[in-house]
Amino acid sequence: AQSVAQPEDQVNVAEGNPLTVKCTYSVSGNPYLFWYVQYPNRGLQFLLKYITGDNLVKGSYGFEAEFNKSQTSFHLKKPSALVSDSALYFCAVRDLDTGGFKTIFGAGTRLFVKA
Amino acid sequence: KAGVTQTPRYLIKTRGQQVTLSCSPISGHRSVSWYQQTPGQGLQFLFEYFSETQRNKGNFPGRFSGRQFSNSRSEMNVSTLELGDSALYLCASSAVQYNEQFFGPGTRLTVL
Repeated sequence: AQSVAQPEDQVNVAEGNPLTVKCTYSVSGNPYLFWYVQYPNRGLQFLLKYITGDNLVKGSYGFEAEFNKSQTSFHLKKPSALVSDSALYFCAVRDLDTGGFKTIFGAGTRLFVKA
Repeated sequence: KAGVTQTPRYLIKTRGQQVTLSCSPISGHRSVSWYQQTPGQGLQFLFEYFSETQRNKGNFPGRFSGRQFSNSRSEMNVSTLELGDSALYLCASSAVQYNEQFFGPGTRLTVL
């Protein structure tokens, strides 16, 4: 069965410092991996995805993520955090299951960036 | 292009009632998925529709149902509401089933 784990409920980082939000996954086939961000009282916004190709993918707002097949990880990174990056981040895997696609989300990691 | 729209944005119902939520996907998107978001359970997959057919369903009781119309608009229905159904219900659409999804703002359902 597919699963996504985000081991940290919360990540705290100072503005200007690099940030990492961790994600590991388990799928039966090829993974379609995504990161989404949710700001208060709003729906999720797509940040970036890995379907195939380069292991380092770049996305919106300066975020990037590295796909590591051997470690089944897809960690989200940003070289220099901004206060405005404070939000709830979800890792997700989209997998073909019983004839249709199904998206499994991690529990979410709340990022706090302190000025 | 207009984004994914969901109506209504807020709903208050009492136990035992039923509710219908509506979702209009981005123009041209044929895949529509529904999710339930709660503080305790996080984001839970409800079902996915593609070309008017339910392609996948999550682990929810039969009280939760949905459908998709020929114009890709989708509705989900919850019958015999329970207190535990209080949640943010999110709809998402995608152009291709395996690609990224675009989410609506959600419908906040409160069951009293």
